[in-house]
Amino acid sequence: DGGITQSPKYLFRKEGQNVTLSCEQNLNHDAMYWYRQDPGQGLRLIYYSQIVNDFQKGDIAEGYSVSREKKESFPLTVTSAQKNPTAFYLCASTRGMGQLNTEAFFGQGTRLTVV
Amino acid sequence: DAKTTQPPSMDCAEGRAANLPCNHSTISGNEYVYWYRQIHSQGPQYIIHGLKNNETNEMASLIITEDRKSSTLILPHATLRDTAVYYCIVRVASSGTASKLTFGTGTRLQVTL
Repeated sequence: DGGITQSPKYLFRKEGQNVTLSCEQNLNHDAMYWYRQDPGQGLRLIYYSQIVNDFQKGDIAEGYSVSREKKESFPLTVTSAQKNPTAFYLCASTRGMGQLNTEAFFGQGTRLTVV
Repeated sequence: DAKTTQPPSMDCAEGRAANLPCNHSTISGNEYVYWYRQIHSQGPQYIIHGLKNNETNEMASLIITEDRKSSTLILPHATLRDTAVYYCIVRVASSGTASKLTFGTGTRLQVTL
């Protein structure tokens, strides 16, 4: 079955450590996105990528980094510069450059807790 | 970016229609309206989208006003499993090649017996 997979589902890290969240899709989608969600809040866009080796900052990119070396993979690194990293992180993908008439598919999320 | 405004919460009795409103008064002519829902601690689920005509699928109906400044998502016979946060978003073609998906805070729909 085609879909988008995030791993792990739960992640614990010590303060000051970098951590990388995985996102893989087998939908052959060009565009991928990372969102952060805090309790009782909506989704905020961290980074997005339209094609391989290209990505843009979203609304809250500080303290995060991404790479897009392969079409199917868009890992997110939460760096020690991110002041409040504990959150629920969601990855999404969509088809096609500029195709506004296509829906996004979401992974099931990674809940990151920094202690 | 076109922004959306939704009521923070709504209640609906099971079996009745749930009508969820959304304002998007700054929407541009080529921007689609999308609806998603999110059940607690899961990834958002696509429901429906439209440009200017009303749309219907097996989950819901989408009514878009003629001026496209607002829309309503209709769940015709709400069940307890429809309890979720519902997001109305406008898919924006940003500068360059990328297209953003920007979410607001959504409407928390509580379906009750």
